[in-house]
Amino acid sequence: AQKVTQAQTEISVVEKEDVTLDCVYETRDTTYYLFWYKQPPSGELVFLIRRNSFDEQNEISGRYSWNFQKSTSSFNFTITASQVVDSAVYFCASTGTASKLTFGTGTRLQVTL
Amino acid sequence: SAVISQKPSRDICQRGTSLTIQCQVDSQVTMMFWYRQQPGQSLTLIATANQGSEATYESGFVIDKFPISRPNLTFSTLTVSNMSPEDSSIYLCSVGREPTYEQYFGPGTRLTVT
Repeated sequence: AQKVTQAQTEISVVEKEDVTLDCVYETRDTTYYLFWYKQPPSGELVFLIRRNSFDEQNEISGRYSWNFQKSTSSFNFTITASQVVDSAVYFCASTGTASKLTFGTGTRLQVTL
Repeated sequence: SAVISQKPSRDICQRGTSLTIQCQVDSQVTMMFWYRQQPGQSLTLIATANQGSEATYESGFVIDKFPISRPNLTFSTLTVSNMSPEDSSIYLCSVGREPTYEQYFGPGTRLTVT
């Protein structure tokens, strides 16, 4: 069974600040996948990134970057120079061999001017 | 990715009635799932919709309450039966592709039960 913990319930930052969203996962599977999704106020769930368990290479996509560390079972997400449009709920999720997604409780990010 | 549509986008229903939600995908997919998101909460998997066989339900969800159909590889329905106010949620379908297990979500159906 998978478990995903997002300890930060809500984060508020001022535009242009950097912000890191934490994600800690638990799994007994040797092969697993980790994901981040964004849910803006419109409610739609937007896929951001997938990482598999045998690829610890960090990834950068524009202002977004992800840090995957198996040693600490963490898959953290950083937004650089945040913008108001980044305001949303962000979910970390994982899946193992059963291919069923387990979601964390989400972190609500509020970016203000 | 895939283009996923859901109908209806929202509905307000009376207690004791049933609502059927449709999920249509623009391409054939092997995996389809149904999730519930209660107000202010995370997503919880209801069931995996299996093409040609009965859906696989997660703990806490039963077929009598949430019957699911999946007649082909591009379409599925979820029925919320004998609704109560506690069923007020967003219901989302998703599709997954092997071998990466990425899942893409439909826009959701916002259900309010009065």
